[in-house]
Amino acid sequence: DVKVTQSSRYLVKRTGEKVFLECVQDMDHENMFWYRQDPGLGLRLIYFSYDVKMKEKGDIPEGYSVSREKKERFSLILESASTNQTSMYLCASRQTGGDGYTFGSGTRLTVV
Amino acid sequence: KNEVEQSPQNLTAQEGEFITINCSYSVGISALHWLQQHPGGGIVSLFMLSSGKKKHGRLIATINIQEKHSSLHITASHPRDSAVYICAVRNTGNQFYFGTGTSLTVIP
Repeated sequence: DVKVTQSSRYLVKRTGEKVFLECVQDMDHENMFWYRQDPGLGLRLIYFSYDVKMKEKGDIPEGYSVSREKKERFSLILESASTNQTSMYLCASRQTGGDGYTFGSGTRLTVV
Repeated sequence: KNEVEQSPQNLTAQEGEFITINCSYSVGISALHWLQQHPGGGIVSLFMLSSGKKKHGRLIATINIQEKHSSLHITASHPRDSAVYICAVRNTGNQFYFGTGTSLTVIP
């Protein structure tokens, strides 16, 4: 069964900490995405990647960075976590030209 | 203004009812996606449409490219259909835009 795996379902971090959210997919997809989801705002794209070592800013990249050293792994980094980064974070992957996304189960991050 | 608007935002239905969720968009698109998100947070891709109509079980998705509108229908709704349904469009530049979702509750 193909899937996208996010390393944590729930995380609690302190303000100012560096936070790593990991995402791994086993479908050999070229494209990987990080979204955050907030009530009333829907899914918003943070960063995406079309290939290894390639990254593009999405709609809300401020305060985040990403790393894609291997095709199957796409990491989201919060350099210095802040309370306004408390959110649900969703990773997704997609084959170029493919039918749709495959999403991970999400990481609910709380920054205190 | 959002590029993708969904209606209604919230919907409560009795088991067995026919349900329609609407999606309107303002950009030129190459494809439209319907996604389902269950309370645990996981998202499943239901349909990808670029024209016409698709059916999978009790779910039917239609799209009218000229009117920039899509509908998701659920026939004979069931409590397990309770979820948030999200419309997303991919424009010709490969950018994705998401609606804010429709929260559906089906009561037994």
